[in-house]
Amino acid sequence: DIQMTQSPSSLSASVGDRVTITCQASQDISNYLNWYQQKPGKAPKLLISDASNLQTGVPSRFSGGGSGTNFTLSISSLQPEDVATYYCQHYDNLSFTFGPGTKVEI
Amino acid sequence: EVQLEESGGGLVQPGGSLRLSCAASGFTFSNYWMSWVRQAPGKGLEWVANIKQDGSEKYYVDSVKGRFTISRDNAKNSLSLQMYRLRAEDTALYYCARDAGSGSYYGALDYWGQGTLVTVSS
Repeated sequence: DIQMTQSPSSLSASVGDRVTITCQASQDISNYLNWYQQKPGKAPKLLISDASNLQTGVPSRFSGGGSGTNFTLSISSLQPEDVATYYCQHYDNLSFTFGPGTKVEI
Repeated sequence: EVQLEESGGGLVQPGGSLRLSCAASGFTFSNYWMSWVRQAPGKGLEWVANIKQDGSEKYYVDSVKGRFTISRDNAKNSLSLQMYRLRAEDTALYYCARDAGSGSYYGALDYWGQGTLVTVSS
């Protein structure tokens, strides 16, 4: 089974900072990697699919990159409304594996 | 507007059973793979199961195989999760979620319900 790890597990940054979260797969997963944002008390929201495809309506300060085993989610200028936990998610063989999450605070 | 509304959660004793439902609206339900994803209190997300548009294919995480059954009723725009032999570690908020691919499998979950809480405890 493919394992997903994320780093850091949590971070604190200032408004306007650039923030980068890393997701690593235990083996090559091509670009089969999605990113979700979960705000406290809310359901997850799909931000980015296939490693780098920004979903409609998601602010352009969010971007995703990477392929193979190493992926990143970046926020170019952190805003107060970005406080959330971010999860990467791999899909293959019709199942899903989520990373453990990265909690982002201001 | 796409809406997913879960129901059926509650308190159940270890070894008991529970059936969760998800009412879908605002889209052509029969065109989409659907999933259940759970989140234990204070923990991360765990995919539980998914089902093909016509119900002909179903997949489960290893920890629920043989205990949970996913099903759907396209005529009623409804998704279900029948849970048997529940354990304390099944305690979680259970989300219903839609796959992003219309007519195919995409592998990303683009719409989620608000979840229904299942508590397994004596």
